[in-house]
Formats: sequence, structure tokens, C-alpha cells
Amino acid sequence: DGGITQSPKYLFRKEGQNVTLSCEQNLNHDAMYWYRQDPGQGLRLIYYSQIVNDFQKGDIAEGYSVSREKKESFPLTVTSAQKNPTAFYLCASRSGQGRDGELFFGEGSRLTVL
Amino acid sequence: AQKVTQAQTEISVVEKEDVTLDCVYETRDTTYYLFWYKQPPSGELVFLIRRNSFDEQNEISGRYSWNFQKSTSSFNFTITASQVVDSAVYFCALSEAGNYGQNFVFGPGTRLSVLP
Repeated sequence: DGGITQSPKYLFRKEGQNVTLSCEQNLNHDAMYWYRQDPGQGLRLIYYSQIVNDFQKGDIAEGYSVSREKKESFPLTVTSAQKNPTAFYLCASRSGQGRDGELFFGEGSRLTVL
Repeated sequence: AQKVTQAQTEISVVEKEDVTLDCVYETRDTTYYLFWYKQPPSGELVFLIRRNSFDEQNEISGRYSWNFQKSTSSFNFTITASQVVDSAVYFCALSEAGNYGQNFVFGPGTRLSVLP
């Protein structure tokens, strides 16, 4: 079945450590996105990528980094510079060449900093 | 700038009641798209519907229906005969066709609790 796979589902990290969240899609979508969701809050855009080897900062990119070396993959690294990284992270891809299609989401990764 | 407002933070209903979730949007574009997503407790966002700005026909899908009114910039979502499985957070979203990447804006969400 086509879809988006995020891993790990749960992740614990000590302060000062970098962690990488994986996002893989087999929907053949060009556009991919990372969102952050805090308890009781909406979704905030971290980074997005319209095409391989290109990505753009979203509204809250500080303390995060991404890469887009393959169409199928868009990993997110939460660096030690992110002051409050505990959150639920959602990866998405978009149909319609990133213009007008809907977003398809993965199941999310819940990061907790100890 | 584009914006989506969902004024109802939380709604509680008893099973079999009808419930309407409100969504009001702001955009300067004449071509745009509206969406509704459901987020159950598991966390994954599930796509429910997509509507473009040129199509004001109301949509019905089983117990779900959507009322799109450009005159009031609203795209409301009604669940008829609600069920416990409808309990979730529902997000309304707006996308402007002419802008790439950051053009997908979500509302803050409405948490719906359907009590047995």
C-alpha cells in the first residue's frame, strides 16, 4: 500500500543530543513537509521541500535541519540548538505537484527530552 | 496573509446528536482550496475533504456534510447522528493555489468528544 512511514514512533533524548526522525514515502510525491504539534495546539511548519536537493524553512525552522537527497526520503534532525524539542512531529507529502493537492500524513513521531 | 479560524476549541455532544464544526478563512486569492482533516487519538491526520474556491456545491458523504459559503468565507463541517468513533480533533485548512510550499495553513483545531 502507498503511504508515508515515520520512525521511530516514540523517541527519548537527553538534553544536548541530536536526533534524526525518518520519513519515507512511496506515493511518488515531489513535495514533502515537516510539522510540529504541541499539546492542544495546531500544526506549525518546520521545513518543506518541493523537489530533490531543495528545501525551504518554514515558520519554526530554528534548531532543526533537513535533507532531501532522494524523492522518497525527507529526514528531520532535531539539534541541540532546539530549546524545547519535546513535541509530536508529523511528516507529510503532497499530491498535485505541491500546488493544490491534499497533504498525506504519516503516523507521527513523539519526541520526549529527558 | 491567509488565515484559518476555528472558534470552537472543544465541543461535547451525546451520541446520535448532530454537531457542526465551524471554519472561517481569510485569503486574498481568488483561487484557493479548503480542506478538513481528522486527528484521532492515535495522532495521524486523516484527510476528509478538499474543496476548490470555484465549487460552492455542498458535499455529503455518509454522515458527514460540508457547507461552503464564499459570501461568509466559511467552510463548516456537520456530523449527523454522531458516534463515539467521531471523537477526535478536527482541523480546517486553507491552501492558496499560486503559492508553493508554505501555502498550506491549518486552523487551531476543534476537539470533539462524543459521549455514549
